[in-house]
Amino acid sequence: ETGVTQTPRHLVMGMTNKKSLKCEQHLGHNAMYWYKQSAKKPLELMFVYSLEERVENNSVPSRFSPECPNSSHLFLHLHTLQPEDSALYLCASSQDPSGGLKTEAFFGQGTRLTVV
Amino acid sequence: AQKVTQAQTEISVVEKEDVTLDCVYETRDTTYYLFWYKQPPSGELVFLIRRNSFDEQNEISGRYSWNFQKSTSSFNFTITASQVVDSAVYFCALSEPHNQGGKLIFGQGTELSVKP
Repeated sequence: ETGVTQTPRHLVMGMTNKKSLKCEQHLGHNAMYWYKQSAKKPLELMFVYSLEERVENNSVPSRFSPECPNSSHLFLHLHTLQPEDSALYLCASSQDPSGGLKTEAFFGQGTRLTVV
Repeated sequence: AQKVTQAQTEISVVEKEDVTLDCVYETRDTTYYLFWYKQPPSGELVFLIRRNSFDEQNEISGRYSWNFQKSTSSFNFTITASQVVDSAVYFCALSEPHNQGGKLIFGQGTELSVKP
């Protein structure tokens, strides 16, 4: 049990579908992240939410839409994806006292997404 | 620019051998954090260690040890007497406190295979 739970673990979707990835953290953290892990590539940061406010968006295509309704939940809404979007999507959380010391990030098990 | 390089893409050893995973980083900041994460086949990234830039003391935790050398911008990870359960992908990462949200810059990972 890592304290960060992601659902679903596996998802296959067509290019015209709309789906959502869910992340929930039980650690009392105030920052949450979406990372994308493609084969043979470093993990890429997609979105950062700190205190439920989006603080970073790394030029991610608009077909990915994040939502952070509260400090414990993070969603990634997907629509009209492309086959190259197939990857492992990892959610993470950390304690982020802005301007102060950062803690380590704790990761979920990821959602393995396949776009067909 | 911040960058983390893990030059070893794959390493294969036989059980009980010692193995060192290399990590070299680049940053302009004097204050930063370095991390190692383990990613087993199940997918989640498991936190192993966090080290701040002002603490160059080497650390040992059981069979794991870390050698931080600011002079060479390296933060290498050694597993002593490796075991099959150590087989995983290992990531080195860099974080800078002024980066709001605690953004982690990851290396490409080293896939370690420990054979019985």
